[in-house]
Amino acid sequence: EDQVTQSPEALRLQEGESSSLNCSYTVSGLRGLFWYRQDPGKGPEFLFTLYSAGEEKEKERLKATLTKKESFLHITAPKPEDSATYLCAVLNQAGTALIFGKGTTLSVSS
Amino acid sequence: EPEVTQTPSHQVTQMGQEVILRCVPISNHLYFYWYRQILGQKVEFLVSFYNNEISEKSEIFDDQFSVERPDGSNFTLKIRSTKLEDSAMYFCASSVRQVENTGELFFGEGSRLTVL
Repeated sequence: EDQVTQSPEALRLQEGESSSLNCSYTVSGLRGLFWYRQDPGKGPEFLFTLYSAGEEKEKERLKATLTKKESFLHITAPKPEDSATYLCAVLNQAGTALIFGKGTTLSVSS
Repeated sequence: EPEVTQTPSHQVTQMGQEVILRCVPISNHLYFYWYRQILGQKVEFLVSFYNNEISEKSEIFDDQFSVERPDGSNFTLKIRSTKLEDSAMYFCASSVRQVENTGELFFGEGSRLTVL
């Protein structure tokens, strides 16, 4: 059973059109929710760590938020260079590895 | 800026052959990982490694897979007898602290394995 579910699978935006990506999780006793960015043919690149409900983190046009059931990645006034796949992850039971969702592929056109 | 480097970038092999994928993690990092991504699918955890031993392995990491840190810099993934379904991009990652403390893993650019 998937521990991390991301929606939508794909999202197309016009430059400047703000939106949000969703990550819902089913793990009990969440010990961290992590966001990564993956460009085509590249490895994932770390963006944010969120540990508790109500926490928010920001980086340029991205803001990540966390509730008790889900996390959102808000993208404000996106640019074409924000086009990528955004991955959400949680820790495995032992806390020794990240378990990734399938990701949301964002395309921003000018 | 320090980075994780992986070789080869692409390897084509015949089914049943042995393959070794190599990684040089960031020099002061202590925790090492292998992940794989089958085309169009999610990034899947294979194995984590710390203090010269496996910390955790997934169901995917069966007896055909092994990892080794043969010297102070390299971290290798060996697949003993490749199968068609092993075709994927394999990512090496490293971290300076245990992942649950920061969640920040540094990934390499990957090694694409194609099994014919």
